[in-house]
Amino acid sequence: AQKVTQAQTEISVVEKEDVTLDCVYETRDTTYYLFWYKQPPSGELVFLIRRNSFDEQNEISGRYSWNFQKSTSSFNFTITASQVVDSAVYFCALPVLYSTLTFGKGTMLLVSP
Amino acid sequence: ETGVTQSPTHLIKTRGQQVTLRCSSQSGHNTVSWYQQALGQGPQFIFQYYREEENGRGNFPPRFSGLQFPNYSSELNVNALELDDSALYLCASRPKSSDNEQFFGPGTRLTVL
Repeated sequence: AQKVTQAQTEISVVEKEDVTLDCVYETRDTTYYLFWYKQPPSGELVFLIRRNSFDEQNEISGRYSWNFQKSTSSFNFTITASQVVDSAVYFCALPVLYSTLTFGKGTMLLVSP
Repeated sequence: ETGVTQSPTHLIKTRGQQVTLRCSSQSGHNTVSWYQQALGQGPQFIFQYYREEENGRGNFPPRFSGLQFPNYSSELNVNALELDDSALYLCASRPKSSDNEQFFGPGTRLTVL
């Protein structure tokens, strides 16, 4: 079955600390995409990244980086030098039937000044 | 800004009532999906419409129904509301060729008393 697990329910850090959000997935597909979304208190899901399973290179975008390891079915997300504006709930997601998404339960990140 | 809008922002209903939530997608986005997000959970797929026909459904009862219109707007209807229907309802749209990337609206917060 297609499944996404985000074991960290809540993480609290102080501004400028680095933080890694974990995502472990299960899929029976041989090729697939993985996604990360950010959900600020306003509620809208903000797309962060889409990753194809045949590209295992790490990706960096500013303070954000992603580590995809197919061997361990993990797609972890690191924020470097966190800022208060990074406070949000972060979701990892995997496409399932009809190209819709199955989401993990999310990790709430609280960054304090 | 994803170009996807939803109305209303908030809604309060009582048990047993019926509710209609609305979503307006970007022009050219002929696929729309609806998700239910209970407090502290990830979004759960309700159903998807493509060219005005339902082409996928999650594990939700028939009292959850929808419509999609030629002008890229859509509706989610819920009959016989139950307390557990209280949630954030998100719609997401995408063009057929998007390789799964979905654009989410800000959501409608439904409270059932």
